[in-house]
Amino acid sequence: DTEVTQTPKHLVMGMTNKKSLKCEQHMGHRAMYWYKQKAKKPPELMFVYSYEKLSINESVPSRFSPECPNSSLLNLHLHALQPEDSALYLCASSLTNEKLFFGSGTQLSVL
Amino acid sequence: GENVEQHPSTLSVQEGDSAVIKCTYSDSASNYFPWYKQELGKRPQLIIDIRSNVGEKKDQRIAVTLNKTAKHFSLHITETQPEDSAVYFCAASNDRGGADGLTFGKGTHLIIQP
Repeated sequence: DTEVTQTPKHLVMGMTNKKSLKCEQHMGHRAMYWYKQKAKKPPELMFVYSYEKLSINESVPSRFSPECPNSSLLNLHLHALQPEDSALYLCASSLTNEKLFFGSGTQLSVL
Repeated sequence: GENVEQHPSTLSVQEGDSAVIKCTYSDSASNYFPWYKQELGKRPQLIIDIRSNVGEKKDQRIAVTLNKTAKHFSLHITETQPEDSAVYFCAASNDRGGADGLTFGKGTHLIIQP
């Protein structure tokens, strides 16, 4: 299995909703990442988990809460988002700090 | 932190011609330089990468060159085809023993004119 799987593919939520994005990989990668990508912009790093521990949090607002239940799963919990948080949220994984493999992303719209 | 500059932002070439995209980086500790291709509505996909102990790497029509002294690296696509149309991102990272993620350039929209 050489895939990073993300669900859902699309998500529309109101500013008072709570939702979660999910990511899964079975490649034995020990680093997993959340990136945010706005249209026509590069991916921006949000969080990094290394060996299931949060190693990087790029000053992301607390309305985004990551979770790594085990080495294969990565979640991003969303609460009280703002319309400007609408973007493509990409999960990625890597064996080392190289060759990131991206999931197909969740296109999030906040109304 | 690392800063990656990428040029041009848009590149239009005739089908069959070559395309060159250039990036510079700021952190001399960076030692890994991948290139990603992203088609509209799809995920970024790794197309080629190079480590700092190598000056050039080629994979069929795609090649990457690295000048570590000048801190710049370039993507070369020869015999361009319509399916090469996409946004291309360069990136840089270093292996400090942890997972720091990649720092991306702003991207180049490559347009292949038939």
